[in-house]
Amino acid sequence: DTAVSQTPKYLVTQMGNDKSIKCEQNLGHDTMYWYKQDSKKFLKIMFSYNNKELIINETVPNRFSPKSPDKAHLNLHINSLELGDSAVYFCASSPGSGHDNQPQHFGDGTRLSIL
Amino acid sequence: ELKVEQNPLFLSMQEGKNYTIYCNYSTTSDRLYWYRQDPGKSLESLFVLLSNGAVKQEGRLMASLDTKARLSTLHITAAVHDLSATYFCAVDLSGTASKLTFGTGTRLQVTL
Repeated sequence: DTAVSQTPKYLVTQMGNDKSIKCEQNLGHDTMYWYKQDSKKFLKIMFSYNNKELIINETVPNRFSPKSPDKAHLNLHINSLELGDSAVYFCASSPGSGHDNQPQHFGDGTRLSIL
Repeated sequence: ELKVEQNPLFLSMQEGKNYTIYCNYSTTSDRLYWYRQDPGKSLESLFVLLSNGAVKQEGRLMASLDTKARLSTLHITAAVHDLSATYFCAVDLSGTASKLTFGTGTRLQVTL
């Protein structure tokens, strides 16, 4: 059973389009995250949700909107895609507060390519 | 703003040799995590270091944390080809593992 699963794995689309990436975790974790990994492999947090509430919102364009319908799901919607959005987007989850001895678990990533 | 730097950025080493990857960070923290990433794959947790002087070992890898020096090391003993990957350290300032700042990554290539 995959612990953190993201769909789709690959996403190729035109500039200006709107797209969504879905993430689900079956670990019973309270906290979920979205990260962006650029072409130089640099990994940066974008958002974090704890029990469906937004707790981290880094400096990310308003075109990116996360949504957490329940604590097992965290989706990422991107409007008006730009060339600079091309990257690998990783979803992750962790148990949450009081469990810092547990690492974050990552999904397999979604490779987004903007034409 | 927290800065996390790793060196070297790229390391090519022969099988059987030993080497150390360094992770320096700019703000006091006593929580540090090491991850491994194979090309095109996810990040896999290697070590969780939660206090000054913490040392963890798994197979040919050993990680340590010196919070006073703001330094963590990942030591590789008698490298084998299967260890070829990119290694990331990540520092947590939140105290709850909920906000990780990742290092620049070290790409390790172990040659036969």
